[in-house]
Amino acid sequence: ETGVTQSPTHLIKTRGQQVTLRCSSQSGHNTVSWYQQALGQGPQFIFQYYREEENGRGNFPPRFSGLQFPNYSSELNVNALELDDSALYLCASSLEGSNSPLYFGNGTRLTVT
Amino acid sequence: GNSVTQMEGPVTLSEEAFLTINCTYTATGYPSLFWYVQYPGEGLQLLLKATKADDKGSNKGFEATYRKETTSFHLEKGSVQVSDSAVYFCALNRPGSARQLTFGSGTQLTVLP
Repeated sequence: ETGVTQSPTHLIKTRGQQVTLRCSSQSGHNTVSWYQQALGQGPQFIFQYYREEENGRGNFPPRFSGLQFPNYSSELNVNALELDDSALYLCASSLEGSNSPLYFGNGTRLTVT
Repeated sequence: GNSVTQMEGPVTLSEEAFLTINCTYTATGYPSLFWYVQYPGEGLQLLLKATKADDKGSNKGFEATYRKETTSFHLEKGSVQVSDSAVYFCALNRPGSARQLTFGSGTQLTVLP
């Protein structure tokens, strides 16, 4: 089975720009979560999608938005980029069910200058 | 709210030494507890988990016991290897949503030959 894949691996943007990050779920997984990991910190939960609907959100402003597609792949969009948005963005997929583990991708490293 | 406090790193050990990484948590309800490992340039991998008090999670020689009375989930391994060098994250779930994880800040482990 294929794992979670994210693209691009690295990205450099300028403050004020918009960015879209992409994630392909592990085969058969219908739930996708996004996390932000600042340098030297643990990941912070941004939001989660299940069957194309957002069903959980962390403490992030509305300029962080997402989509999940019928094939369960997902996008994370960030508008009006700020310097503090520089981080590793991790996508994780899982099956439905509270005991299903999260499978993480290798992340997208976003640098905002 | 929920929070996880991890032992500050970095931790440097010689091969075959005993490892302990401390983790304590604050949570409402009865969370599940996790240890994730992040190797350089990679995403997070689930190392072990425990879903209720007194459960012991174990994998690849690592163990951690869910201690409700001390709100702790310390990671241990009896004999570390160079290949165990990585960043280790303690995490808990938000009760009612197993995939919305709250992470600690991570502990960098380096094992020297």
